[in-house]
Amino acid sequence: DAGVIQSPRHEVTEMGQEVTLRCKPISGHNSLFWYRQTMMRGLELLIYFNNNVPIDDSGMPEDRFSAKMPNASFSTLKIQPSEPRDSAVYFCASSLINEKLFFGSGTQLSVL
Amino acid sequence: GENVEQHPSTLSVQEGDSAVIKCTYSDSASNYFPWYKQELGKRPQLIIDIRSNVGEKKDQRIAVTLNKTAKHFSLHITETQPEDSAVYFCAASGADGLGDGLTFGKGTHLIIQP
Repeated sequence: DAGVIQSPRHEVTEMGQEVTLRCKPISGHNSLFWYRQTMMRGLELLIYFNNNVPIDDSGMPEDRFSAKMPNASFSTLKIQPSEPRDSAVYFCASSLINEKLFFGSGTQLSVL
Repeated sequence: GENVEQHPSTLSVQEGDSAVIKCTYSDSASNYFPWYKQELGKRPQLIIDIRSNVGEKKDQRIAVTLNKTAKHFSLHITETQPEDSAVYFCAASGADGLGDGLTFGKGTHLIIQP
């Protein structure tokens, strides 16, 4: 198994642009999580899905952030419009419900 | 919601010595406590986990202890080696289990001095 796959690995964009981050969970996993990592705030849970259904999006910082999971093998996290304070590493993770969590390699986002 | 505190933020030990990292959590209903290791520029990787029905778990040089009454758990690394240098994160599940997501501590930067 290739593990959790995220793309792109690096994204550099200008303030105001739309950013879309992509994630393919481990095949068979039915929970998917989006985390954001910064030096100041550590690892923050943004949103998670169980069986493709969003369960808790209380960690999403603002309405500029949205996430979708149209099927069991794909999820997106979108930021529109992006701002410099959104610069961070965004991790996608997946698991079987109530089992071990596995992280993707992350997307390093820089908003100039 | 759950709140996880982790100490120390930085820990420097001599190679071969032991290292201990401590965490406390706030939600008494939490029942799953994993530890992740993150090397620079890499993803967090699970190294050991413990569930609330167990007080201690070992895997070679790594052990985790859990005190549910006091709501704290610890990571113990014995005979430390240079490759143990990394940031370590503790985490706790929500009341509904891992399906509720993990809340992470702020991390401990472990430095192994040669």
